[in-house]
Amino acid sequence: QVQLVESGGGVVQPGRSLRLSCTASGFTFSSSAMHWVRQAPGKGLEWMTIISYDGSNKYYADSVKGRFTISRDNSKNTLYLQMNSLRPEDTAVYYCARNPVGWHYFDYWGQGTLVTVSS
Amino acid sequence: QSALTQPASVSGSPGQSITISCTGTSSDVGGYNYVSWYQQHPGKAPKLMIYDVSNRPSGVSNRFSGSKSGNTASLTISGLQAEDEAEYYCSSYTSSSTWVFGGGTKLTVL
Repeated sequence: QVQLVESGGGVVQPGRSLRLSCTASGFTFSSSAMHWVRQAPGKGLEWMTIISYDGSNKYYADSVKGRFTISRDNSKNTLYLQMNSLRPEDTAVYYCARNPVGWHYFDYWGQGTLVTVSS
Repeated sequence: QSALTQPASVSGSPGQSITISCTGTSSDVGGYNYVSWYQQHPGKAPKLMIYDVSNRPSGVSNRFSGSKSGNTASLTISGLQAEDEAEYYCSSYTSSSTWVFGGGTKLTVL
């Protein structure tokens, strides 16, 4: 069965960096585009970024463009999110989600990892 | 990349039907048949309920249906059940090759 497991969250000071990971199993990771979506406490979902199956194409929401970088290692079935210059407003649960091949939606989600940006 | 517009809350009694709207622009909802809907219970990850405006994934009850007219998409839940009480989000692909979510709608089953 498809499984996505995020890790790397925690408490970080403003201005510092953090890297999140999402380990995939149960499907051919190297064939699927992948997303990161976040949810601030008590707030709605916010799409952040997508990476194509081979890493050649990446798109970002304006709110994170230039600060966050999505990447993947298909040999390790792992998706990453490098977050730099973190701000208190980046505090959220971060989810990775699969984009089924050839489609435009999120069919499987991880359980999320909480990032808290606070001094 | 403005969020899609959803009502903050809707409610209905068991057995009734409710509809949640999701309004965007011609650059997202109106421009593509790539609207999807997600159900989220407190503390849980979102779950796909509808994709490509009106398609249901395997395992999702046929009480859930979707439609679209112009720049507004809708999710209808018929025969409301207690377990339908949750937050619902719409999402759309956009002309910038990005995605956008609605602000979410809290469904209360009275």
